[in-house]
Amino acid sequence: GQNIDQPTEMTATEGAIVQINCTYQTSGFNGLFWYQQHAGEAPTFLSYNVLDGLEEKGRFSSFLSRSKGYSYLLLKELQMKDSASYLCAVSDGDYKLSFGAGTTVTVRA
Amino acid sequence: TAGITQAPTSQILAAGRSMTLRCTQDMRHNAMYWYRQDLGLGLRLIHYSNTAGTTGKGEVPDGYSVSRANTDDFPLTLASAVPSQTSVYFCASSDGKNTGELFFGEGSRLTVL
Repeated sequence: GQNIDQPTEMTATEGAIVQINCTYQTSGFNGLFWYQQHAGEAPTFLSYNVLDGLEEKGRFSSFLSRSKGYSYLLLKELQMKDSASYLCAVSDGDYKLSFGAGTTVTVRA
Repeated sequence: TAGITQAPTSQILAAGRSMTLRCTQDMRHNAMYWYRQDLGLGLRLIHYSNTAGTTGKGEVPDGYSVSRANTDDFPLTLASAVPSQTSVYFCASSDGKNTGELFFGEGSRLTVL
């Protein structure tokens, strides 16, 4: 089975940086995903890590440590439109994704 | 670009009635999935299909059935709905290779009374 933990809520100020942590314990591992989900909408893909290290994509970066079962998503230069839920998900090796409960990020002016 | 289409968008259903949620994709993806999303629990896998003609059970399959007669369609059926099946249901697909990234439909909100 899979156990994926992430904080429930985070609040930050516009222009600031926020780091969302995710820890996992899984029976198999074929990569870790981060998805963004705005209220009432479908999740959309943000990032994928399968090797240890940092992947940077514009204002968003994602880090993975397989030995520690740990990842984080870093959101820089926060904008109001970044207010959303961020979902950490692990692929089990058979292309099935297990999701954490999600972290709701609120950006304040 | 259509991607994944789900229907209906929203439905209210009496307990004990049957319901089929439809899902169609036009990306020729091999794998398709059904998830339910509940507050505080996140997305949980109900059933999946790695290729046309095959299906498998996910984390929460009880009370649900699926079929995969062809590549494009993956309907989810509730044979006799119960209030605990009130949820938002997302259909997703992936090419089943490379990263295995999921592409999601817009969701179907189901309320069972």
